[in-house]
Amino acid sequence: DSGVTQTPKHLITATGQRVTLRCSPRSGDLSVYWYQQSLDQGLQFLIQYYNGEERAKGNILERFSAQQFPDLHSELNLSSLELGDSALYFCASSVEDGTEAFFGQGTRLTVV
Amino acid sequence: AQKVTQAQTEISVVEKEDVTLDCVYETRDTTYYLFWYKQPPSGELVFLIRRNSFDEQNEISGRYSWNFQKSTSSFNFTITASQVVDSAVYFCALSEARSSASKIIFGSGTRLSIRP
Repeated sequence: DSGVTQTPKHLITATGQRVTLRCSPRSGDLSVYWYQQSLDQGLQFLIQYYNGEERAKGNILERFSAQQFPDLHSELNLSSLELGDSALYFCASSVEDGTEAFFGQGTRLTVV
Repeated sequence: AQKVTQAQTEISVVEKEDVTLDCVYETRDTTYYLFWYKQPPSGELVFLIRRNSFDEQNEISGRYSWNFQKSTSSFNFTITASQVVDSAVYFCALSEARSSASKIIFGSGTRLSIRP
């Protein structure tokens, strides 16, 4: 158990809908990362937060947004969902910027 | 810009063979971290090791060893006497420690299959 909690574990939704993925980092970790892993693909960096502030952005679509709350949990919002958004979404946390990140079990999103 | 290349897409070996997974990285920063992660068939990502750019000592942990060479920008991972449980996708990753945005960038992964 990495200590990072992601909910829900599975999500099935229809095209055009909006979903929110939630992540609770390890106790004491200030940095939260979001990654997307499509079928047989690598890990695509989406966005990073550090102590509530956006720190880095990757190839995150405009339909996607995220935030980190004062209690350090983070949410990833995906809207106007398309079939191609079906993927495993991982959250990870680290104690400091750029140090080893520990991953949650992921949320498997299926858009039908 | 930071980049990680894992040229080996898939490797298949027979149990008990040694296997080396290659990782080549690019960065303009002088201070950075390198990582290896394991993703078994169950899907979770497991952190294996972190290496700091200023520490070129090789590391051994049981059957696992890591060879970091700054001269060739490589951080290779060797599994000795492989076992079926080692079957997984292995990712090499890099973060630039002095950057104001130290995101962790992953290579495309190497799928390792260990045949009994």
